Amino acid sequence: DTAVSQTPKYLVTQMGNDKSIKCEQNLGHDTMYWYKQDSKKFLKIMFSYNNKELIINETVPNRFSPKSPDKAHLNLHINSLELGDSAVYFCASTQGQFTGELFFGEGSRLTVL
Amino acid sequence: AQSVTQLDSQVPVFEEAPVELRCNYSSSVSVYLFWYVQYPNQGLQLLLKYLSGSTLVKGINGFEAEFNKSQTSFHLRKPSVHISDTAEYFCAVYNFNKFYFGSGTKLNVKP
Repeated sequence: DTAVSQTPKYLVTQMGNDKSIKCEQNLGHDTMYWYKQDSKKFLKIMFSYNNKELIINETVPNRFSPKSPDKAHLNLHINSLELGDSAVYFCASTQGQFTGELFFGEGSRLTVL
Repeated sequence: AQSVTQLDSQVPVFEEAPVELRCNYSSSVSVYLFWYVQYPNQGLQLLLKYLSGSTLVKGINGFEAEFNKSQTSFHLRKPSVHISDTAEYFCAVYNFNKFYFGSGTKLNVKP
């Protein structure tokens, strides 16, 4: 069983489209994150939810909207996609706000043409 | 804001040689320190962590790291690398409810 699973793994789309990435964790964690990894491998936090509540919202364009229907799921919806949105998006989870380890999904590679 | 600096973007090394990957962080307050490894087309996995106690931390796959508070460093070492250690390595700091990651070091182990 995959602990943190993301779908889709690959996503190719045109500029201006809207797309979603889904994330689910079966670890019983109550904090989930979205990270963006750019072409230079730099990882930047985007959002964090704790028990369905938004606790971290970095300076991300409001075209990005996270949604957490329950503490096991954190989805990311992106409107009006731009070329610069091309990246690998990682979902991660941890128990509580801090226990010392982030568990990552395998990533969703988004390519905007 | 916290910053994490990995001084080497790429480190080539021959199999069975020792390696050190360098990491420095900016904060002088108490931090928690981590090394993660990313294999191609995979997510990150925890190698080791420093939360408190002994400054020498041992992790998986024979890796270890030493926390040096005065130099704000947390360098990763392995005495003898294997081809399978080829991957991207990320240093991370946890502070102010966030994980901050360095830009990564690509370890390339050659036969």
